[in-house]
Amino acid sequence: GAVVSQHPSWVICKSGTSVKIECRSLDFQATTMFWYRQFPKQSLMLMATSNEGSKATYEQGVEKDKFLINHASLTLSTLTVTSAHPEDSSFYICSAISETQYFGPGTRLLVL
Amino acid sequence: LAKTTQPISMDSYEGQEVNITCSHNNIATNDYITWYQQFPSQGPRFIIQGYKTKVTNEVASLFIPADRKSSTLSLPRVSLSDTAVYYCLVGDQAGNNRKLIWGLGTSLAVNP
Repeated sequence: GAVVSQHPSWVICKSGTSVKIECRSLDFQATTMFWYRQFPKQSLMLMATSNEGSKATYEQGVEKDKFLINHASLTLSTLTVTSAHPEDSSFYICSAISETQYFGPGTRLLVL
Repeated sequence: LAKTTQPISMDSYEGQEVNITCSHNNIATNDYITWYQQFPSQGPRFIIQGYKTKVTNEVASLFIPADRKSSTLSLPRVSLSDTAVYYCLVGDQAGNNRKLIWGLGTSLAVNP
């Protein structure tokens, strides 16, 4: 199947700093990528849809100015958590479509 | 939006066949059924996808009755490494996110 990678796999940062997470489709091109957040013992929650060459579409309740998404190429989407706070600590997962939806390995974010 | 219902948890033993049933009473005509597996702190992994009747691949089988209001994921001869959460989703073949609702999935525990 198609391979999606994420970097970094985990990150610890201080409150108030910004963190960038990269999502790459390694062996296919993806005009659309998705960003999810998952809290412990909970299911995936869609945050936004990343569209190559255009603005991302955010789900209700997700602050677009806090979670900046850039999809500059057909193989790369980035999620930047701006001015991160402890409540932003979570597991962030991206996915891309190649016939069906394939997921990255996730990024664990811990904000101190 | 198509909603799915699955058992919260299941227990099994090594070498047994495990069948996880998912109900999706309001599945749309063009919806596919997709199953994912997720290990702790990892992104979901695609298992199998089908539209009707039976689909089989190297890891699982998917049984879909004629009315398509339910589906059953069958894992033959499970091992300890199959302990994971299994999600059933319905949506278009590419996994159009706006039609996907991620429930809590089924937490499968395989015992020695």
